[in-house]
Amino acid sequence: QVQLQQWGAGLLKPSETLSLTCAVYGGSFSDYYWTWIRQPPGKGLEWIGEITHSGSTNYNPSLESRVTISIDTSKKQFSLKVTSVTAADTAVYYCAGGSNWGQGTMVTVSS
Amino acid sequence: DIQMTQSPSSLSASVGDRVTITCRASQDIRNDLGWYQQKPGKAPKRLIYAASSLQGGVPSRFSGSGSGTEFTLTISSLQPEDFATYYCLQHNNYPRTFGQGTKVEVK
Repeated sequence: QVQLQQWGAGLLKPSETLSLTCAVYGGSFSDYYWTWIRQPPGKGLEWIGEITHSGSTNYNPSLESRVTISIDTSKKQFSLKVTSVTAADTAVYYCAGGSNWGQGTMVTVSS
Repeated sequence: DIQMTQSPSSLSASVGDRVTITCRASQDIRNDLGWYQQKPGKAPKRLIYAASSLQGGVPSRFSGSGSGTEFTLTISSLQPEDFATYYCLQHNNYPRTFGQGTKVEVK
């Protein structure tokens, strides 16, 4: 049974950097593409990007210039950084792998 | 980007009803599609993968069909716990893209 637990700062000011981490418990870390997805309040889901256990990444072109996804296989963790945030980045951020999802982190960008 | 057009955007139904939700892809995605259920305040839960394979632990009243550009999620007999929002997700091409969602509400 794979479980994902995520954490990170929930309140940011415009221009700051969003930073979230997701830890994977159980299962094989090499089995999945590790993914970040976000959902603005009251809206649909947006795929941000993914990373493999070997560190290969794919990003959504709409965010690619500001997004970095990294991985630490020794800790079975992967992370998301989004630079220069604005109010438009306010959303619940989820980590996921296969059919497994984290609990979500609400990130609010406000001055 | 592949556009996933989901319909309807919302529907009203009663317990016991048969419910059908459709996703159309803007290009051929073979069977690289999943269906997700999301309840308020919760993470999405995958119901169907590879267009028609039932995720373990998901009730058999859920089924998926289709390939290429047209896909369907069917709930054969709607249960009270099925009132939620449903999304399709294509993983044939980058960036991965979701449908806009279908909210299933109580009639």
